[in-house]
Amino acid sequence: DGGITQSPKYLFRKEGQNVTLSCEQNLNHDAMYWYRQDPGQGLRLIYYSQIVNDFQKGDIAEGYSVSREKKESFPLTVTSAQKNPTAFYLCASSKDRLDSNQPQHFGDGTRLSIL
Amino acid sequence: AQTVTQSQPEMSVQEAETVTLSCTYDTSESDYYLFWYKQPPSRQMILVIRQEAYKQQNATENRFSVNFQKAAKSFSLKISDSQLGDAAMYFCAYRAGHAYNQGGKLIFGQGTELSVKP
Repeated sequence: DGGITQSPKYLFRKEGQNVTLSCEQNLNHDAMYWYRQDPGQGLRLIYYSQIVNDFQKGDIAEGYSVSREKKESFPLTVTSAQKNPTAFYLCASSKDRLDSNQPQHFGDGTRLSIL
Repeated sequence: AQTVTQSQPEMSVQEAETVTLSCTYDTSESDYYLFWYKQPPSRQMILVIRQEAYKQQNATENRFSVNFQKAAKSFSLKISDSQLGDAAMYFCAYRAGHAYNQGGKLIFGQGTELSVKP
């Protein structure tokens, strides 16, 4: 079955450490997204990519970085510059980067905590 | 900037009864899409229903239906014959009509936690 795979499910970060969250999709979707979810809040967009080798900052990009070297993969790095990284991170994708009617499909998420 | 507001942090419904979750949004655009997503305790985001703003007819998906009031910028979700499996966090979301506008991102409300009593 096609879908979005996020790994790991749980991740712990030490002070001053960069960590990378993996997101892989086999849906042949063009667009991919990273959202952050904090308790009592909706999801907020960190970064998005509409095509390979191109990505754009979302609403809360500071302290994060991404790459899109392959259509299937959109890893998110949480850098040491992100001072409050504890949150639930969700990766999403949608089929057509130009068609807003296409729904976004989500992975199962990664919970990141500070040690 | 577009915003989405869900004014009910928590709602409760008796099994087999009907419940309505509220959502309002603010936008100056005329072309957009609205979605309701369900997030059960597993934390997976599941699409429940979607509505195109240019369609006057309210979307329905089995026990789920919406009341879309474009002029009032309101998009409520009605769940009929509630089941225990409907218990979850529900998010209302907005997406601009043109994906090149902000990359087709979803703008989410704060969520409504729905509990279903047996």
